[in-house]
Amino acid sequence: KQEVTQIPAALSVPEGENLVLNCSFTDSAIYNLQWFRQDPGKGLTSLLLIQSSQREQTSGRLNASLDKSSGRSTLYIAASQPGDSATYLCAVPLGAGSYQLTFGKGTKLSVIP
Amino acid sequence: GAVVSQHPSWVICKSGTSVKIECRSLDFQATTMFWYRQFPKQSLMLMATSNEGSKATYEQGVEKDKFLINHASLTLSTLTVTSAHPEDSSFYICSAAGTWGTGELFFGEGSRLTVL
Repeated sequence: KQEVTQIPAALSVPEGENLVLNCSFTDSAIYNLQWFRQDPGKGLTSLLLIQSSQREQTSGRLNASLDKSSGRSTLYIAASQPGDSATYLCAVPLGAGSYQLTFGKGTKLSVIP
Repeated sequence: GAVVSQHPSWVICKSGTSVKIECRSLDFQATTMFWYRQFPKQSLMLMATSNEGSKATYEQGVEKDKFLINHASLTLSTLTVTSAHPEDSSFYICSAAGTWGTGELFFGEGSRLTVL
Protein backbone atom coordinates (compact mmCIF):
# COMPACT_ATOMS: atom_id res chain seq x y z
CA LYS A 1 0.00 0.00 0.00
CA GLN A 2 1.42 3.35 -1.05
CA GLU A 3 1.99 5.84 1.74
CA VAL A 4 2.88 9.47 1.19
CA THR A 5 4.53 11.56 3.88
CA GLN A 6 5.18 15.28 3.90
CA ILE A 7 7.63 16.97 6.19
CA PRO A 8 7.40 19.43 7.83
CA ALA A 9 3.70 19.63 8.64
CA ALA A 10 4.01 23.39 8.97
CA LEU A 11 6.63 25.93 7.99
CA SER A 12 6.92 29.64 8.63
CA VAL A 13 9.46 31.76 6.74
CA PRO A 14 10.11 35.47 6.21
CA GLU A 15 9.24 36.97 2.86
CA GLY A 16 11.96 36.64 0.23
CA GLU A 17 13.42 33.43 1.58
CA ASN A 18 13.90 30.36 -0.59
CA LEU A 19 12.39 27.19 0.82
CA VAL A 20 12.03 23.47 0.21
CA LEU A 21 9.05 21.24 0.92
CA ASN A 22 9.58 17.51 1.14
CA CYS A 23 7.48 14.58 0.03
CA SER A 24 8.35 10.89 0.38
CA PHE A 25 6.53 7.82 -0.85
CA THR A 26 6.95 4.16 0.08
CA ASP A 27 6.44 2.48 -3.30
CA SER A 28 8.91 3.82 -5.86
CA ALA A 29 6.99 2.32 -8.80
CA ILE A 30 5.02 5.49 -9.41
CA TYR A 31 3.53 6.68 -12.67
CA ASN A 32 3.86 10.35 -11.85
CA LEU A 33 3.80 12.77 -8.93
CA GLN A 34 1.71 15.88 -8.66
CA TRP A 35 2.10 18.91 -6.39
CA PHE A 36 -0.97 20.91 -5.42
CA ARG A 37 -1.71 24.06 -3.51
CA GLN A 38 -4.79 24.44 -1.32
CA ASP A 39 -5.90 27.77 0.11
CA PRO A 40 -8.15 27.70 3.22
CA GLY A 41 -11.67 26.63 2.35
CA LYS A 42 -10.80 26.11 -1.29
CA GLY A 43 -10.15 23.28 -3.69
CA LEU A 44 -6.79 22.19 -5.02
CA THR A 45 -4.77 24.00 -7.64
CA SER A 46 -2.40 21.87 -9.67
CA LEU A 47 1.11 23.30 -9.52
CA LEU A 48 3.38 20.79 -11.19
CA LEU A 49 3.13 17.27 -12.59
CA ILE A 50 6.30 15.20 -12.91
CA GLN A 51 6.17 12.06 -15.00
CA SER A 52 8.14 9.05 -13.75
CA SER A 53 10.69 9.51 -16.54
CA GLN A 54 11.44 13.10 -15.53
CA ARG A 55 13.78 14.40 -12.85
CA GLU A 56 12.31 17.86 -12.44
CA GLN A 57 9.72 20.35 -13.61
CA THR A 58 9.74 24.12 -13.35
CA SER A 59 7.00 26.71 -13.38
CA GLY A 60 7.94 30.27 -12.55
CA ARG A 61 9.38 30.37 -9.04
CA LEU A 62 8.52 26.73 -8.44
CA ASN A 63 10.78 23.79 -9.13
CA ALA A 64 9.84 20.22 -8.32
CA SER A 65 12.29 17.36 -8.39
CA LEU A 66 11.69 13.64 -8.37
CA ASP A 67 14.00 10.84 -7.26
CA LYS A 68 12.08 7.62 -7.71
CA SER A 69 14.81 5.34 -6.42
CA SER A 70 14.88 7.05 -3.06
CA GLY A 71 11.13 7.67 -2.99
CA ARG A 72 11.43 11.42 -2.66
CA SER A 73 10.24 14.61 -4.25
CA THR A 74 10.95 18.19 -3.30
CA LEU A 75 9.16 21.42 -4.12
CA TYR A 76 11.48 24.41 -4.18
CA ILE A 77 9.94 27.86 -3.92
CA ALA A 78 12.23 30.75 -4.73
CA ALA A 79 11.90 34.25 -3.32
CA SER A 80 8.81 33.43 -1.28
CA GLN A 81 5.93 35.90 -1.11
CA PRO A 82 3.04 36.28 1.36
CA GLY A 83 0.73 35.11 -1.44
CA ASP A 84 2.51 31.76 -1.38
CA SER A 85 0.98 31.06 2.03
CA ALA A 86 -1.16 27.95 1.65
CA THR A 87 -1.09 24.21 2.25
CA TYR A 88 0.98 22.28 -0.27
CA LEU A 89 0.05 18.69 -1.03
CA CYS A 90 1.88 16.06 -3.00
CA ALA A 91 0.11 13.04 -4.44
CA VAL A 92 0.93 9.90 -6.42
CA PRO A 93 -1.36 7.57 -8.37
CA LEU A 94 -2.27 4.19 -6.93
CA GLY A 95 -0.80 2.48 -9.96
CA ALA A 96 0.32 2.85 -13.54
CA GLY A 97 -2.36 4.60 -15.54
CA SER A 98 -4.51 5.15 -12.46
CA TYR A 99 -6.03 8.52 -11.72
CA GLN A 100 -6.77 7.61 -8.12
CA LEU A 101 -4.34 9.56 -5.99
CA THR A 102 -2.77 8.92 -2.62
CA PHE A 103 -2.21 12.25 -0.90
CA GLY A 104 0.21 13.35 1.76
CA LYS A 105 -1.23 15.32 4.66
CA GLY A 106 0.34 18.49 3.37
CA THR A 107 2.71 21.20 4.54
CA LYS A 108 1.12 24.41 5.74
CA LEU A 109 3.32 27.28 4.61
CA SER A 110 3.16 30.75 6.11
CA VAL A 111 5.24 33.50 4.51
CA ILE A 112 5.61 36.41 6.90
CA PRO A 113 5.76 39.91 5.35
CA GLY B 1 -4.66 24.76 -17.07
CA ALA B 2 -7.98 23.01 -17.39
CA VAL B 3 -10.85 24.33 -15.28
CA VAL B 4 -13.19 22.33 -13.08
CA SER B 5 -16.13 24.12 -11.53
CA GLN B 6 -18.21 23.04 -8.55
CA HIS B 7 -21.60 24.33 -7.55
CA PRO B 8 -22.71 25.31 -5.02
CA SER B 9 -19.60 26.45 -3.20
CA TRP B 10 -21.46 26.23 0.09
CA VAL B 11 -24.83 24.95 1.16
CA ILE B 12 -26.73 24.72 4.44
CA CYS B 13 -29.57 22.25 4.75
CA LYS B 14 -31.82 20.72 7.34
CA SER B 15 -31.29 17.19 8.58
CA GLY B 16 -33.19 14.66 6.48
CA THR B 17 -33.11 16.62 3.24
CA SER B 18 -31.08 15.82 0.13
CA VAL B 19 -28.42 18.02 -1.40
CA LYS B 20 -26.98 17.88 -4.91
CA ILE B 21 -23.48 19.10 -5.76
CA GLU B 22 -22.41 19.56 -9.37
CA CYS B 23 -18.94 19.16 -10.83
CA ARG B 24 -18.29 20.42 -14.34
CA SER B 25 -15.22 20.35 -16.55
CA LEU B 26 -15.49 23.67 -18.36
CA ASP B 27 -12.99 23.44 -21.17
CA PHE B 28 -12.29 19.74 -21.57
CA GLN B 29 -14.06 16.41 -21.60
CA ALA B 30 -13.62 14.15 -18.61
CA THR B 31 -14.50 10.50 -18.90
CA THR B 32 -13.54 10.03 -15.28
CA MET B 33 -14.26 12.26 -12.31
CA PHE B 34 -13.54 11.69 -8.65
CA TRP B 35 -15.30 12.78 -5.48
CA TYR B 36 -13.40 13.43 -2.28
CA ARG B 37 -14.32 14.38 1.23
CA GLN B 38 -12.06 16.49 3.40
CA PHE B 39 -12.33 16.90 7.15
CA PRO B 40 -10.78 19.91 8.91
CA LYS B 41 -6.99 19.83 8.84
CA GLN B 42 -7.02 16.45 7.10
CA SER B 43 -6.06 15.43 3.62
CA LEU B 44 -8.52 14.35 0.97
CA MET B 45 -10.32 11.04 1.27
CA LEU B 46 -11.44 9.48 -1.99
CA MET B 47 -15.12 8.58 -1.87
CA ALA B 48 -15.85 7.32 -5.35
CA THR B 49 -14.80 7.25 -8.97
CA SER B 50 -17.38 8.48 -11.43
CA ASN B 51 -17.29 7.09 -14.96
CA GLU B 52 -19.32 8.66 -17.75
CA GLY B 53 -22.18 6.42 -18.77
CA SER B 54 -21.65 3.76 -16.12
CA LYS B 55 -22.10 3.20 -12.42
CA ALA B 56 -19.73 4.85 -9.99
CA THR B 57 -17.15 2.84 -8.09
CA TYR B 58 -17.25 3.49 -4.37
CA GLU B 59 -14.39 3.19 -1.91
CA GLN B 60 -14.70 0.83 0.99
CA GLY B 61 -16.84 2.25 3.76
CA VAL B 62 -18.66 4.78 1.57
CA GLU B 63 -22.41 4.18 1.43
CA LYS B 64 -23.49 4.22 -2.20
CA ASP B 65 -27.15 4.65 -1.31
CA LYS B 66 -26.34 7.73 0.72
CA PHE B 67 -23.92 9.34 -1.71
CA LEU B 68 -25.52 9.03 -5.13
CA ILE B 69 -23.23 9.79 -8.03
CA ASN B 70 -24.33 10.40 -11.60
CA HIS B 71 -21.99 11.06 -14.52
CA ALA B 72 -24.42 11.61 -17.37
CA SER B 73 -22.15 13.54 -19.72
CA LEU B 74 -18.47 14.04 -20.44
CA THR B 75 -18.51 17.37 -18.63
CA LEU B 76 -20.82 16.85 -15.65
CA SER B 77 -20.87 14.64 -12.59
CA THR B 78 -23.22 15.12 -9.66
CA LEU B 79 -23.03 14.00 -6.05
CA THR B 80 -26.29 13.82 -4.14
CA VAL B 81 -26.13 13.46 -0.37
CA THR B 82 -29.43 11.81 0.53
CA SER B 83 -31.19 12.13 3.89
CA ALA B 84 -28.37 14.31 5.14
CA HIS B 85 -27.33 14.20 8.77
CA PRO B 86 -25.05 16.55 10.73
CA GLU B 87 -22.20 14.03 10.46
CA ASP B 88 -22.33 14.47 6.67
CA SER B 89 -21.21 18.06 7.13
CA SER B 90 -17.89 18.33 5.37
CA PHE B 91 -15.96 19.81 2.46
CA TYR B 92 -16.58 17.89 -0.75
CA ILE B 93 -14.17 18.25 -3.67
CA CYS B 94 -14.34 16.80 -7.15
CA SER B 95 -11.57 16.27 -9.66
CA ALA B 96 -11.46 15.39 -13.32
CA ALA B 97 -8.94 13.73 -15.56
CA GLY B 98 -8.38 15.04 -19.04
CA THR B 99 -8.47 12.71 -22.01
CA TRP B 100 -4.98 13.63 -23.17
CA GLY B 101 -3.39 10.98 -21.02
CA THR B 102 -0.77 12.85 -18.99
CA GLY B 103 -2.25 11.64 -15.71
CA GLU B 104 -2.80 15.16 -14.45
CA LEU B 105 -5.88 15.76 -12.35
CA PHE B 106 -7.72 19.06 -12.01
CA PHE B 107 -9.77 19.92 -8.98
CA GLY B 108 -12.86 21.94 -8.34
CA GLU B 109 -13.12 24.71 -5.78
CA GLY B 110 -14.92 22.48 -3.33
CA SER B 111 -18.38 22.59 -1.76
CA ARG B 112 -18.89 23.20 1.95
CA LEU B 113 -21.94 21.29 3.23
CA THR B 114 -23.40 22.11 6.63
CA VAL B 115 -26.29 20.00 7.85
CA LEU B 116 -28.28 21.48 10.73
